Amino acid sequence: DAKTTQPPSMDCAEGRAANLPCNHSTISGNEYVYWYRQIHSQGPQYIIHGLKNNETNEMASLIITEDRKSSTLILPHATLRDTAVYYCIVRVGAYKYIFGTGTRLKVLA
Amino acid sequence: DAGITQSPRHKVTETGTPVTLRCHQTENHRYMYWYRQDPGHGLRLIHYSYGVKDTDKGEVSDGYSVSRSKTEDFLLTLESATSSQTSVYFCAISESGASRTSSYNEQFFGPGTRLTVL
Repeated sequence: DAKTTQPPSMDCAEGRAANLPCNHSTISGNEYVYWYRQIHSQGPQYIIHGLKNNETNEMASLIITEDRKSSTLILPHATLRDTAVYYCIVRVGAYKYIFGTGTRLKVLA
Repeated sequence: DAGITQSPRHKVTETGTPVTLRCHQTENHRYMYWYRQDPGHGLRLIHYSYGVKDTDKGEVSDGYSVSRSKTEDFLLTLESATSSQTSVYFCAISESGASRTSSYNEQFFGPGTRLTVL
């Protein structure tokens, strides 16, 4: 199964863009990339997903490289409430999410 | 927030005892999932269900069984709990299972159950 690799931690200044990278070099052509975040010990929360094209919604943007081996989640104006663990996930088939170990993002005042 | 509850929220038990965790949803979503979360591993899928009485194994299913007799309830059972099953367990639901060519399959997660096996 495809694996994801993320840096274990990152800091970002409040108000600045947070760019969270993810490597998924073994991803297959029909496997989607999802991003979730987990605040404290709560259940993970959906952020965004994509296949080939870049995607944007009210929370974030997702940039996927042309070869699909990596992606970047962008939080355009990070706030203190964005402090969380961010998971880059590959969806295998219809149901199965392969979670990485996540990046702990700390937004600094 | 999606209407998902998990019970109990915290449980301490002893090795060898049976344990059942319950996930209840009020969203009428067809698909339900059980994950465990351990330090250094992210979340790992234990079992999932794609309909009443339809279940399948995930990547870490050994030592666990599930049942789904109603749309709204998905039960996870540890027949004989071991210390290696100490973990935080999350239930999730999704409206559609999506297909290989379909994009959308957002999963909504419950609040989690912290299980300690002594």
